[in-house]
Amino acid sequence: AQSVTQLDSQVPVFEEAPVELRCNYSSSVSVYLFWYVQYPNQGLQLLLKYLSGSTLVKGINGFEAEFNKSQTSFHLRKPSVHISDTAEYFCAVSGVTGGGNKLTFGTGTQLKVEL
Amino acid sequence: DARVTQTPRHKVTEMGQEVTMRCQPILGHNTVFWYRQTMMQGLELLAYFRNRAPLDDSGMPKDRFSAEMPDATLATLKIQPSEPRDSAVYFCASGIRGETQYFGPGTRLLVL
Repeated sequence: AQSVTQLDSQVPVFEEAPVELRCNYSSSVSVYLFWYVQYPNQGLQLLLKYLSGSTLVKGINGFEAEFNKSQTSFHLRKPSVHISDTAEYFCAVSGVTGGGNKLTFGTGTQLKVEL
Repeated sequence: DARVTQTPRHKVTEMGQEVTMRCQPILGHNTVFWYRQTMMQGLELLAYFRNRAPLDDSGMPKDRFSAEMPDATLATLKIQPSEPRDSAVYFCASGIRGETQYFGPGTRLLVL
């Protein structure tokens, strides 16, 4: 079984500042890792994913994340945030065996971008 | 722009009533997932299907919940009888083999 920890429930940041949302996972098998974003009253949208290969993954809206196997982390970063990035961000993990179907989500981090 | 659609978007019902939620996966996707989101439990996987066959429903309360795929374009999640603790947002997602899941907008259920 896998688990995900998002330590920060809320992250306030000023517009145009950089941001990092932290995600740590636990698993006894190889994993796939994902970041999803949820805007108010909407479903989840995939930001980026790590399946294999390069540990630095680039996604939509200028976000990127780095897979660090030794630290079991997959932190999400953006060099300069915009007001429109205000949303809730979920990190998710699934085991490679079984095709990555069973996603386990973290509790989410609310990113609030202020002027 | 292909999307997962869910109906209804909102549902208010009384305890004991049957609730049926529907999902139309993206055409060509062979894997369909049902999730529940609450403030207390976060996002939980209830069940998922591959090529219309249930692969895992271990996250679903068996006594009152049931999930089916009558055909490749329709997935249903039923609750009978509904209880106040079932109040949540229910998401359907679809994908090919499941590596990337595309989520619908959700059904917001309130059981009084």
